[in-house]
Amino acid sequence: QSALTQPPSASGSPGQSVTISCTGTSSDVGGYKYVSWYQQHPGKAPKLMIYEVIKRPSGVPDRFSGSKSGNTASLTVSGLQAEDEADYYCSSYAGSSNFEVFGGGTKLTVL
Amino acid sequence: QLQLQESGPGLVKPSETLSLTCTVSGGSISSSSYYWGWIRQPPGKGLEWIGSIYYSGTTYYNPSLKTRVTISVDASRNQFSLKSSSVTAADTALYYCAGGETAYSYGAWGQGTLVTVSS
Repeated sequence: QSALTQPPSASGSPGQSVTISCTGTSSDVGGYKYVSWYQQHPGKAPKLMIYEVIKRPSGVPDRFSGSKSGNTASLTVSGLQAEDEADYYCSSYAGSSNFEVFGGGTKLTVL
Repeated sequence: QLQLQESGPGLVKPSETLSLTCTVSGGSISSSSYYWGWIRQPPGKGLEWIGSIYYSGTTYYNPSLKTRVTISVDASRNQFSLKSSSVTAADTALYYCAGGETAYSYGAWGQGTLVTVSS
């Protein structure tokens, strides 16, 4: 059982927006600004899409955005494209005891 | 730009020790600018954080693996390593090494190496 809870699947049509949630507790997501999101295509290594809740690494399209409210972080993909179809994982700093935790992953399908 | 490459045996016997090395290029492993970690992914499953190490050598481990795992740095070779003792079939996974410029996030990943635990 993963420490952070994500929906197993999400979907949207090209051009639409989709939001993936990542729910934790006040000991991880809610307690720190260190939430990251990763995209993983089949057979590939994960790619960092968002870090520190809202920041985008260089080269990541601004169609990807992050936010947080309370113990739930969210990744929003706007203007869905076929290439966005992938698995998405959230992670969070979880304090000195658990340190880092991942979500179980969400499979995003572009219809 | 950081590049990472895992290396090590692809097959380990139950109860033995898994040993993997990550070779880093494009940056110094001793630099205070970077943060290094190991993450694994069982076949068909999600990501699991194993542990991390700072440039200072300070290490942090997943509590569920802590008693079996050691991460260390070899600055002379610009490498960091993972050792996991007393492995079982549950340790069969794709093992990734990763690094980043901000704590608790990984902007660079190796391609991953599959480790199978079987007799």
